[in-house]
Amino acid sequence: DAGITQSPRHKVTETGTPVTLRCHQTENHRYMYWYRQDPGHGLRLIHYSYGVKDTDKGEVSDGYSVSRSKTEDFLLTLESATSSQTSVYFCAITTPRGAGANVLTFGAGSRLTVL
Amino acid sequence: QQQVKQSPQSLIVQKGGISIINCAYENTAFDYFPWYQQFPGKGPALLIAIRPDVSEKKEGRFTISFNKSAKQFSLHIMDSQPGDSATYFCAASSGGQGAQKLVFGQGTRLTINP
Repeated sequence: DAGITQSPRHKVTETGTPVTLRCHQTENHRYMYWYRQDPGHGLRLIHYSYGVKDTDKGEVSDGYSVSRSKTEDFLLTLESATSSQTSVYFCAITTPRGAGANVLTFGAGSRLTVL
Repeated sequence: QQQVKQSPQSLIVQKGGISIINCAYENTAFDYFPWYQQFPGKGPALLIAIRPDVSEKKEGRFTISFNKSAKQFSLHIMDSQPGDSATYFCAASSGGQGAQKLVFGQGTRLTINP
């Protein structure tokens, strides 16, 4: 998965508890993203980062925060998990493909269940 | 508001047949249209992509057809094989070399019967 590691890969938690998902990349790419995947909705952008300490909101950012203190790590935090945040979360990075084209490359995903 | 609408939700095709998945978009600022393929338990992977300056792009058995005036694009899989069984997502974005904030369609689960 292009040097992207997501952890944990699976997590079950209870409503109201905090949860942090980690995305680690080994290739020093500038842009990193968090998406969630739900049936009938495809993938939706939660937050993205364009550098250390530089982040911005995506389409479905409510209830989520992110941090990027190092180039290689992008953390997604659910401060107080709710059942509506049960989903599969994908981290992605922008990787060069050649001829000036960039590609969004995804990690393997983290499946989160909030009971 | 769904900016990229994809159909059908599911599709069953016989081996050797042509699979066709359609997408429509609303934002005329979109200038990059990729298709992603996802197998169970894996992340989506780029399959093929097109920019609006061409009407068609072919890579092997996979072809994107693009209609700028209708704001539609489609994926054609020729000689479909069981190994093509996967979920396919169309997507769109704008913004050049900056952050690629892809907007995805809802996905199509494709099953190729042997």
